[in-house]
Amino acid sequence: SVLTQPPSVSGAPGQRVTISCTGSSSNIGADYDVHWYQQLPGTAPKLLVYDNNNRPSGVPDRFSGSKSGTSASLAITGLQPEDEADYYCQSYDSSLSALVFGGGTKLTVL
Amino acid sequence: EVQLVESGGGLVQPGGSLRLSCAASGFSFSDHYMDWVRQAPGKGLEWVGRSRSKVNSYTTQYAASVKGRFTISRDDSKNSLYLQMNSLKSEDTAIYYCARVEGRGAGYMDVWGKGATVTVSS
Repeated sequence: SVLTQPPSVSGAPGQRVTISCTGSSSNIGADYDVHWYQQLPGTAPKLLVYDNNNRPSGVPDRFSGSKSGTSASLAITGLQPEDEADYYCQSYDSSLSALVFGGGTKLTVL
Repeated sequence: EVQLVESGGGLVQPGGSLRLSCAASGFSFSDHYMDWVRQAPGKGLEWVGRSRSKVNSYTTQYAASVKGRFTISRDDSKNSLYLQMNSLKSEDTAIYYCARVEGRGAGYMDVWGKGATVTVSS
């Protein structure tokens, strides 16, 4: 994938985890916004964070996004069992003239 | 309630064609760009293409993997988005989601349908 995410992360209930999304000078580094989606097992993706660090209404403030240089991160605090899901970052790539997704990160709540 | 409902999925032979539809409700469809995104079995999300609104002349944009084989269209009078898929290959097997685009620049997908399953196999 054009955007690189760790395949998996894990944490115990109540802990904090972060998921990285590494891009390049033609996407995140070119100042294109980064968005994050949560996909629970067997369901469609759901918008979690938009425009780098904004949450849609209804998304708990335990979820937060940040962006710096050619990378972005999603932080989840106070982990809960229901947070177990796949998480994807998304941006735009000017070299490809296409929207691009990260490969996805599977979060396991231990 | 804002809703997107895909239909038209199924089993098709390699080299065949299929047309997916996406029915929108609960929002002003004509004002929005719309995307198709797919997910192969056990794999991640892949952007397929975009339909821009009338304000942007209904222009379309495609991923390199489907350009020349897939065509996105829309009918604002029916609040519907379409994906015509030709010359299908086994690697096109996936769940196909339609999504509403919102926001600045290239935007983000804030509303998703439940998806339509396409299987390309002989």
